[in-house]
Amino acid sequence: GEDVEQSLFLSVREGDSSVINCTYTDSSSTYLYWYKQEPGAGLQLLTYIFSNMDMKQDQRLTVLLNKKDKHLSLRIADTQTGDSAIYFCADPSNSGYALNFGKGTSLLVTP
Amino acid sequence: EPEVTQTPSHQVTQMGQEVILHCVPISNHLYFYWYRQILGQKVEFLVSFYNNEISEKSEIFDDQFSVERPDGSNFTLKIRSTKLEDSAMYFCASSGDSPNYGYTFGSGTRLTVV
Repeated sequence: GEDVEQSLFLSVREGDSSVINCTYTDSSSTYLYWYKQEPGAGLQLLTYIFSNMDMKQDQRLTVLLNKKDKHLSLRIADTQTGDSAIYFCADPSNSGYALNFGKGTSLLVTP
Repeated sequence: EPEVTQTPSHQVTQMGQEVILHCVPISNHLYFYWYRQILGQKVEFLVSFYNNEISEKSEIFDDQFSVERPDGSNFTLKIRSTKLEDSAMYFCASSGDSPNYGYTFGSGTRLTVV
C-alpha cells in the first residue's frame, strides 16, 4: 500500500529558511501536495507540483521533487512566526480520489 | 474565498449512539470527501463521493458509516453506533472537476465518544 513519511518536528529561527522533507511510495502520482494546518483549523492547500516537474516556486515557497528517489521537499524562505503550523505532504492514491497523508511535520518558528 | 463549512465544530456523544456530521461543500464542486484524524495520528481517508454515489472508500469506512447528499448542498457522514475509537477530528473536503488540483477542506468536527 501507499505510505508517506515525514519527520515529525522542525524548529527554526525567524528569518531562516525551513526545509520540510517527505518520501512517498506511489510512483504513479500525477500531482503531489503540501497542506498546512494551523491550530484548530482545517487543512489548507499550500501548493502542489505536477509529477513531470522537478521544481516549483511560489513566492516564499519552493517545492523540489526527486522522482527517482520519491522525495519531495518544501522550502520556506524567510520563515516567519506565522508559519508555525503542521505541514502535511500528500500523495494521491492509485484511483486519484483519495489522498494519502504523512503524519505531518510540526514547524516551530522562534523569534 | 469560497469555503467548506462543517457543523457542529464539536460533538459529544455516548457510545452506541448515532451521530450525523454535516458539511456544506463549495457550491460548484463535484467531488466530496470525508477524512478523519485521530489525535496524534495521520489524516486518514474515509470515503469519496461523486455523481451521487461512493467512488472510493477505505477499510475504515465499514457498515457503520454512511454518507448522503440529501438536498444538493449538504453532504453528511452518519456513524450508526459510535464506538470509543471513533473519537477523532472529522474533515469534510470538496474538489472541482478534477481531484488533481487538490481539495478544499473544512475546519473539521471534533467528535468525542464517551
